[in-house]
Amino acid sequence: QQPVQSPQAVILREGEDAVINCSSSKALYSVHWYRQKHGEAPVFLMILLKGGEQKGHEKISASFNEKKQQSSLYLTASQLSYSGTYFCGTANFGNEKLTFGTGTRLTIIP
Amino acid sequence: DTGVSQDPRHKITKRGQNVTFRCDPISEHNRLYWYRQTLGQGPEFLTYFQNEAQLEKSRLLSDRFSAERPKGSFSTLEIQRTEQGDSAMYLCASSLVLSALTTEAFFGQGTRLTVV
Repeated sequence: QQPVQSPQAVILREGEDAVINCSSSKALYSVHWYRQKHGEAPVFLMILLKGGEQKGHEKISASFNEKKQQSSLYLTASQLSYSGTYFCGTANFGNEKLTFGTGTRLTIIP
Repeated sequence: DTGVSQDPRHKITKRGQNVTFRCDPISEHNRLYWYRQTLGQGPEFLTYFQNEAQLEKSRLLSDRFSAERPKGSFSTLEIQRTEQGDSAMYLCASSLVLSALTTEAFFGQGTRLTVV
């Protein structure tokens, strides 16, 4: 079942912070975050694993609440280059294919 | 290595025609995925391979769709008797899977299919 992302869209001024949420109705093993710019491929940002391990982007942080089956992506001091659509992809067990959320469109204005 | 490569980037075809897309994954990656993405939506899983073995195929995928990865390297996705509803971006992704480790998948630029 497709994870639900919120908000659907957000507009920020450069330098502001944003939080994007991803929620699943099923128990999660891992959450993967991607950013996609218009007409381009999704670009990997971060993996969060059950048990707390993370790996990914140095300027972006995220959390994973296994009990609530939720993940949040934190974008601090946003830059113009952060604009794009953010997708979370979830897996219910290790190395399973990802099921992607509905996306959050982030627009950063100067 | 330049990442995941897909060909063609764009394809316009008439309804009823067959089309084939190619994906070349990152060379050392043993897993290859196909996804479909329509405007405003997230990528939707179609199928995936571990080396040359097709391990899972989405139940949403009709019999008109077939994918192969004959030597465990590149993969092809064929759509027979295309319909207008097949119009979408077809994305390929690859990853290196070692035992139970979860690793990131890297996407190609996609093939945009338009059925007229």
